[in-house]
Amino acid sequence: LPVLTQPPSASALPGASIKLTCTLSREHSTYTIEWYQQRPGRSPQYIMKLKSDGSHSKGDGIPDRFMGSSSGADRYLTLSNLQPDDEAEYHCAESHTIDGQVGYVFGSGTKVTVL
Amino acid sequence: QVQLVQSGSELKKPGASVKVSCKASGYSFTSYAMNWVRQAPGQGLEWMGWINTNTGNPMYAQGFTGRFVFSLDISASTAYLEISSLEAEDSAVYYCTRKYCAGDSCELDPWGQGTLVTVSS
Repeated sequence: LPVLTQPPSASALPGASIKLTCTLSREHSTYTIEWYQQRPGRSPQYIMKLKSDGSHSKGDGIPDRFMGSSSGADRYLTLSNLQPDDEAEYHCAESHTIDGQVGYVFGSGTKVTVL
Repeated sequence: QVQLVQSGSELKKPGASVKVSCKASGYSFTSYAMNWVRQAPGQGLEWMGWINTNTGNPMYAQGFTGRFVFSLDISASTAYLEISSLEAEDSAVYYCTRKYCAGDSCELDPWGQGTLVTVSS
């Protein structure tokens, strides 16, 4: 199964940019991932699907300042012009099919603090 | 609009059972699979498995076999998660989430508001 690794925390000032990383295990470095945002006390919300070539498709209502990119096994979510409302946990996830069985794997999440 | 509404918080004693409901509205219930995700206090998300809303066939992730049962009431557009022989380690927020697919692209969207299950004597 793929392993997704995320740093536990990140922080930046309002108006700044922040780049979150989700690293896939080496043998799964070409896999597509999804990003989810979970604000404090709320349920997760789908942000985007991000492919290995950096192309991405966002969910409804996700602002343009949320951008995805990729490099090797790393998948990035960049939040530009950081807003207080962006303070949340950001989870990456991967959906796979093994032996005909569908499954999901989540990273451990990165908590973003807006200073 | 598309939404999933879950049942309220539960406080249970060790060894008891709990049944969490997830009522879907705003879309054709049988068109998309329903997934279940656990989040222990202060922890990340853990995928528990999914249920085919057409056939009722469940698929459980490793670590969620035996005491965990997914079921449906299609007439009520409702999915259920039942956990038996509850242990303190089952204390968590449980989410239902639709696996929405358009073409060959799928994502988990939307999510229910979560149900807090607390297991304590």
